[in-house]
Amino acid sequence: DTAVSQTPKYLVTQMGNDKSIKCEQNLGHDTMYWYKQDSKKFLKIMFSYNNKELIINETVPNRFSPKSPDKAHLNLHINSLELGDSAVYFCASSQERPGWGTGELFFGEGSRLTVL
Amino acid sequence: AQSVTQLGSHVSVSEGALVLLRCNYSSSVPPYLFWYVQYPNQGLQLLLKYTSAATLVKGINGFEAEFKKSETSFHLTKPSAHMSDAAEYFCAVSDYNQGGKLIFGQGTELSVKP
Repeated sequence: DTAVSQTPKYLVTQMGNDKSIKCEQNLGHDTMYWYKQDSKKFLKIMFSYNNKELIINETVPNRFSPKSPDKAHLNLHINSLELGDSAVYFCASSQERPGWGTGELFFGEGSRLTVL
Repeated sequence: AQSVTQLGSHVSVSEGALVLLRCNYSSSVPPYLFWYVQYPNQGLQLLLKYTSAATLVKGINGFEAEFKKSETSFHLTKPSAHMSDAAEYFCAVSDYNQGGKLIFGQGTELSVKP
């Protein structure tokens, strides 16, 4: 039973389209995250939610909108996709909110987005 | 802000040889430090973590890392490389100055030659 699961695993789309990636965790964690991994493997945090509350919002274009319907789910919607959005997007979760515990994250397998 | 620097974007070793992946951090307070491994087309998996207990930390798959405050380092080692160790390795630090976010290094790709 996968602890942090993301769908879809692969996503190929045209510029200008809107797409969503979904994430679910069954670890009972309170905090979830979206990270972006670029072509050079660099990982950068985008957003974090704690119990449905947005707690981290990095400098991300407002075309990216996260939504957390409950603490076990965190979705990422991207409007008007651009070539530079091509990346692997990782969902992660942690037991406590950032700064309250060790900071250990549990990652999903990633969603590879390719914008043509 | 805290940061992490991994020396060497690519390290190649022979099977059975020592693995040494370098990580240096910058922090004004004792940090929490992590090593994660990413196998091809997979997510990141925790190898080990330092949380201010023992300075020598043992992880999964025979890896260990030593926290050296005087050198601000947290290098990852394994005595004998195995072909299955080929992967991308990330060092990370909890950044207290930025609300405890996990900040990752640039990653080091480990290749293991037969």
